[in-house]
Amino acid sequence: DIQMTQSPSSLSASVGDRVTITCRASQSISNYLNWYQHKPGKAPKLLIHAASSLQSGVPSRFSGSGSGTDFTLTISSLQPEDFATYYCQQSYITPITFGQGTRLEIK
Amino acid sequence: EVQLVESGGGLVQPGGSLRLSCAASGFTFSSYWMSWVRQAPGRGLEWVANIKEDGAEKYYVDSVKGRFTISRDNAKNSLYLQMNSLRAEDTAVYYCASRSFGSSWNNWFDPWGQGTLVTVSS
Repeated sequence: DIQMTQSPSSLSASVGDRVTITCRASQSISNYLNWYQHKPGKAPKLLIHAASSLQSGVPSRFSGSGSGTDFTLTISSLQPEDFATYYCQQSYITPITFGQGTRLEIK
Repeated sequence: EVQLVESGGGLVQPGGSLRLSCAASGFTFSSYWMSWVRQAPGRGLEWVANIKEDGAEKYYVDSVKGRFTISRDNAKNSLYLQMNSLRAEDTAVYYCASRSFGSSWNNWFDPWGQGTLVTVSS
């Protein structure tokens, strides 16, 4: 199975900050990497697919990059509604696996 | 509006069974792979199972193989998860999700339902 490791596991930041979350795969997954935002009691929301493609309707302050084993999700200027948990997910091979999540909290 | 609504969760004793349902609307259900993903309390997301558009292919995470069965009824725009021999570690919120494909077989989950809680406890 491909292990996905996110860092940091939690992060405190302020509105307006630039934030970067990293995700590392245990083997190369090309660009088969997606990012999701999850708020308590809500449905997870797709932000980025294929490593860097912004999902329709997602604000442009979100961006993704990377290929192979190392990937990043960047939020250019944090907004109040961005405080949530973020997950990376590889779709390269079954079993599909997620990172452990990064909890983004208000400082 | 694209919508997925799960139902069927509840409290069940270890060793028991439960059947989850997911009602889809707002898109051509029969044209999409569908999946179940779960989140145990205090834990992250875990993929559980996938099913092809016509139901001909099914895939499971190892921990549920032989106990869970994913199925679908395209005439009813519905996805199911039959869960047998339930264990305490199956306690989780279960989400259904549509699986979309892009170029080069890239794929992702979108949209997701709001989830249904399954609690396995005596």
